Amino acid sequence: GDSVTQMEGPVTLSEEACLTINCTYTATGYPSLFWYVQYPGEGLQLLLKATKADDKGSNKGFEATYRKETTSFHLEKGSVQVSDSAVYFCALFRGGATNKLIFGTGTLLAVQP
Amino acid sequence: GAGVSQSPSNKVTEKGKDVELRCDPISGHTALYWYRQSLGQGLEFLIYFQGNSAPDKSGLPSDRFSAERTGGSVSTLTIQRTQQEDSAVYLCASSLSASGRGEQFFGPGTRLTVL
Repeated sequence: GDSVTQMEGPVTLSEEACLTINCTYTATGYPSLFWYVQYPGEGLQLLLKATKADDKGSNKGFEATYRKETTSFHLEKGSVQVSDSAVYFCALFRGGATNKLIFGTGTLLAVQP
Repeated sequence: GAGVSQSPSNKVTEKGKDVELRCDPISGHTALYWYRQSLGQGLEFLIYFQGNSAPDKSGLPSDRFSAERTGGSVSTLTIQRTQQEDSAVYLCASSLSASGRGEQFFGPGTRLTVL
């Protein structure tokens, strides 16, 4: 069945460091791919998305490119801030009868000043 | 406009008791989803509603779990005879339609603790 694998955390970085959180997926067809973020004490919210191969999603300085050949959707940011500290979830969406998001296990990012 | 709201925010119950968790989706959103977030299992899909019907109940872990949605709006997730393994954060999400392509809006969750 469909699944998402993302790198284990926690990831600890200093402010202004580069970030990459790896995400790979297993799915038939062409799912949409997402990164959701959960800030401390807040609900899960959509960070960015890509709906087809080679699409790049971007938001708040974060980017991820839908790579069909490597079945990947890695999250990147060139310069992280303390306010980026959160748990990041990679997810894929299967439409049709199921219409559900399938999430990775989440990666905790801690950015130190 | 208001986002997805859930109540209660926290619920502590004794093993064997029944609990009801409520979700108010964003007004006008026809699709509603329940997920469970627990330490050992990550984020798991439980059930999906389109309007008042549930085309996919595949994620409900046992027959102790049930959910309903009325008036195409409020949904209630009921857990009967709670067990300690039911302890988790229960998240509700809604989307404008089933074809919302995964852009779901999540509520703050209900943290359930079964003693």
